[in-house]
Amino acid sequence: AQSVTQLGSHVSVSEGALVLLRCNYSSSVPPYLFWYVQYPNQGLQLLLKYTTGATLVKGINGFEAEFKKSETSFHLTKPSAHMSDAAEYFCAVIDDQGGKLIFGQGTELSVKP
Amino acid sequence: DAGVIQSPRHEVTEMGQEVTLRCKPISGHNSLFWYRQTMMRGLELLIYFNNNVPIDDSGMPEDRFSAKMPNASFSTLKIQPSEPRDSAVYFCASSDVPGQGQEQYFGPGTRLTVT
Repeated sequence: AQSVTQLGSHVSVSEGALVLLRCNYSSSVPPYLFWYVQYPNQGLQLLLKYTTGATLVKGINGFEAEFKKSETSFHLTKPSAHMSDAAEYFCAVIDDQGGKLIFGQGTELSVKP
Repeated sequence: DAGVIQSPRHEVTEMGQEVTLRCKPISGHNSLFWYRQTMMRGLELLIYFNNNVPIDDSGMPEDRFSAKMPNASFSTLKIQPSEPRDSAVYFCASSDVPGQGQEQYFGPGTRLTVT
């Protein structure tokens, strides 16, 4: 069965610093991987997704993620953090039956001025 | 497009009362998902529908929870009777093709408090 592990429930960075949020997955089939962002008191919004093809995926708001099959990872990065990036970030994988998203436990990102 | 619409946005009720949460998916989407989010358990999928048919309800916690999708534009999640441990944010999401890399679009959620 698919699963997702996000390393670190809370990450704090300074404004302008690199953002790195870690995600590892397990999957018995080629995975479809997602990163969602949740701002306070809102629903989840898709940042980016990997299905097939290029392993470096670019998303909204300057975020990108790289699919590394050998490491079973899909880490999210942004070169320079902005105060508005403070939110909770969820990594997810589609289960092998199709239809269901399996979410990680989330990482809360804080950005210090 | 208005996106996924959920109502009410906030619900406060007393233990033992019936609670009905409502969701209108994005027009044209074939799949609908109900999630629950709590601090302790994170995001949990409760049930999902494809073409109005329940496909997987293995996440429904117990018989007190039921979900229906009478047509392509409306779904309800009912809790009867409600208990304090049901307090959570409930999200509805929809997508146009089940699985296989299709994005799920989330509603704003209903924050349920059971006292």
